[in-house]
Amino acid sequence: SQQGEEDPQALSIQEGENATMNCSYKTSINNLQWYRQNSGRGLVHLILIRSNEREKHSGRLRVTLDTSKKSSSLLITASRAADTASYFCACTGGFKTIFGAGTRLFVKA
Amino acid sequence: ETGVTQSPTHLIKTRGQQVTLRCSSQSGHNTVSWYQQALGQGPQFIFQYYREEENGRGNFPPRFSGLQFPNYSSELNVNALELDDSALYLCASSETELATDTQYFGPGTRLTVL
Repeated sequence: SQQGEEDPQALSIQEGENATMNCSYKTSINNLQWYRQNSGRGLVHLILIRSNEREKHSGRLRVTLDTSKKSSSLLITASRAADTASYFCACTGGFKTIFGAGTRLFVKA
Repeated sequence: ETGVTQSPTHLIKTRGQQVTLRCSSQSGHNTVSWYQQALGQGPQFIFQYYREEENGRGNFPPRFSGLQFPNYSSELNVNALELDDSALYLCASSETELATDTQYFGPGTRLTVL
């Protein structure tokens, strides 16, 4: 079974709107990372948040982590058509990184 | 561009055959991890190698095996292919053996088993 569960499974928004994706996990983690994947190609690392951090920003990305609720969220502000992709959270503990099933984001121009 | 390359890009095999997929990590990255991604799913961890030794494995049978070489290249071998092995296979490299390191992914090899 997968550690991270993303919600929603799919999201369709207009260009300029914000997109929020959520991830829940089951066991303790060292850190949580978010990746983007375009159309079945390689994954691109977006941001890493450590278990002792609560919020991180990178450009138009904002990630939060709530270890008491075992959940994280990824916010993409002012979305662009180029943000259309699948987004995955990946939970890291020990030597393993376990991915969720992903959120498919479609940004309409 | 992550500096991680994989070959071949696409591959078609028949059930029962064996396949070898290759990955070239970023220079200086001592860890390589392999993942299987079925259509519409997230990547599933197969195993991880650090300095040519396997140091972590997911829920995959022994017919999935690997090798890592000193020149930052690695292989994923799958014996006795099954239809369900059809997937995108991704390798990722990182500097140390710690899973807390950022992983840099290659573009993947798409394997189709007929």
